[in-house]
Amino acid sequence: TQLLEQSPQFLSIQEGENLTVYCNSSSVFSSLQWYRQEPGEGPVLLVTVVTGGEVKKLKRLTFQFGDARKDSSLHITAAQPGDTGLYLCAEGNQAGTALIFGKGTTLSVSS
Amino acid sequence: DAGITQSPRHKVTETGTPVTLRCHQTENHRYMYWYRQDPGHGLRLIHYSYGVKDTDKGEVSDGYSVSRSKTEDFLLTLESATSSQTSVYFCAASRGVSTGELFFGEGSRLTVL
Repeated sequence: TQLLEQSPQFLSIQEGENLTVYCNSSSVFSSLQWYRQEPGEGPVLLVTVVTGGEVKKLKRLTFQFGDARKDSSLHITAAQPGDTGLYLCAEGNQAGTALIFGKGTTLSVSS
Repeated sequence: DAGITQSPRHKVTETGTPVTLRCHQTENHRYMYWYRQDPGHGLRLIHYSYGVKDTDKGEVSDGYSVSRSKTEDFLLTLESATSSQTSVYFCAASRGVSTGELFFGEGSRLTVL
């Protein structure tokens, strides 16, 4: 069974703090996508990582793809209340027909 | 905005009644998906479609059926709703490849009493 594990499940921090969330797979990723979901809305793609060791930056967000392509992390620098939401990682299923998602990390940033 | 709209956005129904959720897209996406989202379970794939009249089951398809008679519409039907199907349902679509970026609708919250 293909599994995507995300940690931590919940994270509550103060504005200005840094944080890292993780996504791990039981198998090697072909590629990995990170999404953010705000309350009452559908998820929105943040980034896709493809190459082992890859690092991508999106403003204060830094995404890393493990060298062995079995893990990924999302680091947020100086978190802001607008970063509040559910962060999901996703990969293609074994049949290559759809994306499967981890259970997500719920982030709450208070001012 | 990938033009994914879901209807209804909220529905309350009783156990045993049929329910149909509609997903409409305006971008001519080939691939369309239905997921359900529940606390502690994340997003789980119910059914997906890779073209008109071409559909297949996802990981939690029991109790659900789908139809896609036109590129722009993907319907999810609960033939006889149960309380375990209380959830938020998301439709999504993909432009190019089946495992590419997904564009989601805003969700349909279904409560089965």
